[in-house]
Amino acid sequence: EAGVAQSPRYKIIEKRQSVAFWCNPISGHATLYWYQQILGQGPKLLIQFQNNGVVDDSQLPKDRFSAERLKGVDSTLKIQPAKLEDSAVYLCASSLAGVYNSPLHFGNGTRLTVT
Amino acid sequence: DAKTTQPNSMESNEEEPVHLPCNHSTISGTDYIHWYRQLPSQGPEYVIHGLTSNVNNRMASLAIAEDRKSSTLILHRATLRDAAVYYCILRDVGGNTPLVFGKGTRLSVIA
Repeated sequence: EAGVAQSPRYKIIEKRQSVAFWCNPISGHATLYWYQQILGQGPKLLIQFQNNGVVDDSQLPKDRFSAERLKGVDSTLKIQPAKLEDSAVYLCASSLAGVYNSPLHFGNGTRLTVT
Repeated sequence: DAKTTQPNSMESNEEEPVHLPCNHSTISGTDYIHWYRQLPSQGPEYVIHGLTSNVNNRMASLAIAEDRKSSTLILHRATLRDAAVYYCILRDVGGNTPLVFGKGTRLSVIA
């Protein structure tokens, strides 16, 4: 099966600019997650969707980050305006809904550098 | 916050078994023990999970202590491709709860 697709693979922007990341989950996976991974740390959850509804966005910095999942398939994560501390790898993951312990399948991420 | 404790790093020789420990003394009755690994420049990938009994799959084995306060991921013959960061994660059985990652154990494999 095709895996989780993310683009772009790399992005370099200046602080105060905006940026958007795109994610296409595995077909049939209703649950979608965005994680932020800062160098040397484990991934940190930003937001979780079930279909096109938000399940958990408690750790999303809503003053600058936004995410949407129109039609319950693809998702975009946006940062506006970016700060230096947003430099990280942004990982998208998906899993089956309604299945206990359904594993998360991760994409290879987008590496963001803010200068 | 992550509820598991793992060594920061470990080293193994190629083709030898590797035992990666994890402590989770505050585990609850509904927590499953999950292991993921992250190869360089890739997203994490699922390895194995279990509740009480030891588990085996094509990638690894999971040995769970009788009191469930610790577990060990066993790679039977380490290869260079197994060099990665290994994460031990507790995940509640209910619904699609997200994974809460700690810093994991960085495994180096020496040829």
